[in-house]
Amino acid sequence: SQQGEEDPQALSIQEGENATMNCSYKTSINNLQWYRQNSGRGLVHLILIRSNEREKHSGRLRVTLDTSKKSSSLLITASRAADTASYFCATDYGQNFVFGPGTRLSVLP
Amino acid sequence: SQTIHQWPATLVQPVGSPLSLECTVEGTSNPNLYWYRQAAGRGLQLLFYSVGIGQISSEVPQNLSASRPQDRQFILSSKKLLLSDSGFYLCAWSGVAGALNIQYFGAGTRLSVL
Repeated sequence: SQQGEEDPQALSIQEGENATMNCSYKTSINNLQWYRQNSGRGLVHLILIRSNEREKHSGRLRVTLDTSKKSSSLLITASRAADTASYFCATDYGQNFVFGPGTRLSVLP
Repeated sequence: SQTIHQWPATLVQPVGSPLSLECTVEGTSNPNLYWYRQAAGRGLQLLFYSVGIGQISSEVPQNLSASRPQDRQFILSSKKLLLSDSGFYLCAWSGVAGALNIQYFGAGTRLSVL
């Protein structure tokens, strides 16, 4: 399967701490994206990193990509209770677009 | 700006009944359209995608079908629902081929088959 795999499956942290989620995939990609899903809602695109990029920032988000290890990480700094959600990586293979099972993040006030 | 509408938000249907979920996109032309299903606490399973009117690709053999009668309309159907069809159904669109494949999602339909 080409499916990405996030870990951990669930993560619980205190407000103000940093949250790191990882994603691994199996074959070469065009780009990798991270999405967020609040409970019972649709997914919202957060950030995209191309296969020739190694790091990207957007506000409190930092994404890294290591194509040699076929892995990516999403770091959320200074977390807030409002960051509580599920986070998914999605790998774009051109013809195919595959989501991982997600990491459920709980940020406790 | 582009928007995506998906309805209904919630649906309870008996086993063996038909299904029709509709998704429409505004503010863009010739989008790629997608139907996903999400089991509780799980990732997304791609069911169908379409790159144009009447062009449907099925990713998973199942009790469902999809149609694209108009450029910005995508319909998910079933003739007879099964218990296993329960789940959260999401419609999404992305730009034309060659553009970055960022997907924009509707709010989802929670389907319960009883």
